[in-house]
Amino acid sequence: GENVEQHPSTLSVQEGDSAVIKCTYSDSASNYFPWYKQELGKRPQLIIDIRSNVGEKKDQRIAVTLNKTAKHFSLHITETQPEDSAVYFCAASIVGNEKLTFGTGTRLTIIP
Amino acid sequence: DADVTQTPRNRITKTGKRIMLECSQTKGHDRMYWYRQDPGLGLRLIYYSFDVKDINKGEISDGYSVSRQAQAKFSLSLESAIPNQTALYFCATRKSIGGAGELFFGEGSRLTVL
Repeated sequence: GENVEQHPSTLSVQEGDSAVIKCTYSDSASNYFPWYKQELGKRPQLIIDIRSNVGEKKDQRIAVTLNKTAKHFSLHITETQPEDSAVYFCAASIVGNEKLTFGTGTRLTIIP
Repeated sequence: DADVTQTPRNRITKTGKRIMLECSQTKGHDRMYWYRQDPGLGLRLIYYSFDVKDINKGEISDGYSVSRQAQAKFSLSLESAIPNQTALYFCATRKSIGGAGELFFGEGSRLTVL
């Protein structure tokens, strides 16, 4: 089955700097890659997703890049703010397959 | 606002007891899921359902069972709870759009097995 590895497990950045979280996946057939944000004590919520027919997708300060050849994808957060502090999960699946495999999470802390 | 609701939110029980976690949704979604969250392990799929009476195993279904008696309700049971089932459990829903799209999570049920 699919295996998703996520790095780093913890990340601290100065407010205003950029943060990058990286994930690799094992199944070359995977073609859907969402990112979820979980604030402390809250439920996970989708922040951005990408399908394999595009290499990059942006939504304001958040972007995701995908390298299908290398089987890795990354979340980029620019101009970080205190409200970006949370745990971020990447995930991968094959469209049409219900089994979304999550990474182990990255705890991002924004230092004021 | 349409939502996904889980009960109970917190539960402490003893080894060997039967436990049921319940999930109901007002989103009108056909797909429902149960995930387990453990520190350092992310979210792992226990069971999922496409529709009433439809049940499918996820990656960690051993020791769990589920029931989908109505489109809006999906319950998770632990027939004989054990301490390593101590975790945070999330129910989630998704609209049927070909296996991709946003998962909407409930607020979570924290289960402690002593």
